Amino acid sequence: TQLLEQSPQFLSIQEGENLTVYCNSSSVFSSLQWYRQEPGEGPVLLVTVVTGGEVKKLKRLTFQFGDARKDSSLHITAAQPGDTGLYLCAELTSGTYKYIFGTGTRLKVLA
Amino acid sequence: DVKVTQSSRYLVKRTGEKVFLECVQDMDHENMFWYRQDPGLGLRLIYFSYDVKMKEKGDIPEGYSVSREKKERFSLILESASTNQTSMYLCASSSTGAEAFFGQGTRLTVV
Repeated sequence: TQLLEQSPQFLSIQEGENLTVYCNSSSVFSSLQWYRQEPGEGPVLLVTVVTGGEVKKLKRLTFQFGDARKDSSLHITAAQPGDTGLYLCAELTSGTYKYIFGTGTRLKVLA
Repeated sequence: DVKVTQSSRYLVKRTGEKVFLECVQDMDHENMFWYRQDPGLGLRLIYFSYDVKMKEKGDIPEGYSVSREKKERFSLILESASTNQTSMYLCASSSTGAEAFFGQGTRLTVV
């Protein structure tokens, strides 16, 4: 079974700071998704990356897919309290229908 | 607005009870999933289904079974609940190759 490791596990920062979280795999991703889960809710998709080296931006969030498609990062610029949540990376495994999720990074942004 | 609805937000059951968790989606998705979420372990796949009456084991199927008699409904069954099944349970649905949509989760406590 593919393992997705995320780091750091926990992150607590002040409003306005920048941060980066990482997702690494033991093998090559077919495609990678990032989700955010707010307390009391299910995860919600932020972005899907498919091509090695791909960079996608979603307002203050920048997602990067490694050239070798074995790692990905999420960078948040000028974090806001509304960014607080659990960030999960997930792979849609090639040739199957199922999603494998990482261990998650729990982010808390303090006002 | 697309929706995945789980029948209960909170549930308390006794050890040995048979427990049913219900999930309904209104998006005509062919794929449905049950995950459990525990601190530090991320989301772990219990079972998934890619068609009516079809099911496949995920990574942690022991102690669980599922039923999919209709396309929109996917049920998770704990045949004899145990305390180590205390967890957050998340249902999701997807169209193949696309994002997963999640319900709000059921927090199950087995006492």
